[in-house]
Amino acid sequence: KNQVEQSPQSLIILEGKNCTLQCNYTVSPFSNLRWYKQDTGRGPVSLTIMTFSENTKSNGRYTATLDADTKQSSLHITASQLSDSASYICVVRGMDSSYKLIFGSGTRLLVRP
Amino acid sequence: NAGVTQTPKFQVLKTGQSMTLQCAQDMNHNSMYWYRQDPGMGLRLIYYSASEGTTDKGEVPNGYNVSRLNKREFSLRLESAAPSQTSVYFCASAEGQGTYEQFFGPGTRLTVL
Repeated sequence: KNQVEQSPQSLIILEGKNCTLQCNYTVSPFSNLRWYKQDTGRGPVSLTIMTFSENTKSNGRYTATLDADTKQSSLHITASQLSDSASYICVVRGMDSSYKLIFGSGTRLLVRP
Repeated sequence: NAGVTQTPKFQVLKTGQSMTLQCAQDMNHNSMYWYRQDPGMGLRLIYYSASEGTTDKGEVPNGYNVSRLNKREFSLRLESAAPSQTSVYFCASAEGQGTYEQFFGPGTRLTVL
């Protein structure tokens, strides 16, 4: 059972355009939700971390939103740049005492000139 | 400040061979992790070390062993490699567990023939 689902699987946009990536999760209760950016051939890099009480968090041109009632999160990228081409991974941590982060399989974004 | 480093970057093994993946961090972090990333799947935790001197199994520990050599270093050993262990392996570290951000290394791409 996949507890973190991301959509779309892949996306192509033109440079300068905005886009929104979706994440639905079934982990409950949960402690925090993270978005990571992973460039090809590199390790993931954290963009945002939101606790269950936070609705939105920004990091430059990246804005993450969280609706804990519907168990949905989105990552909005404004004025996309070629360097935004990467995979974006949604990660959820449960509220229990375990270590476990549950990773989505990612959305692969390609920004074209 | 190198962050998290991993060696080697690439490795090809034959079935049954053994090898050790090395990971080191220079951020004085307490917690360290080993993940594997397979196509179309989210990262999965193999083993983790919450603090120096402790190690625990993650989601997919079979076929692997780990050693927390000291606070900086956390190695992953494959005793008898199998084709199913072909994957990209990431080491990560964090100040602690919970909401702490995890910092990832660049990964080791392992192919088992």
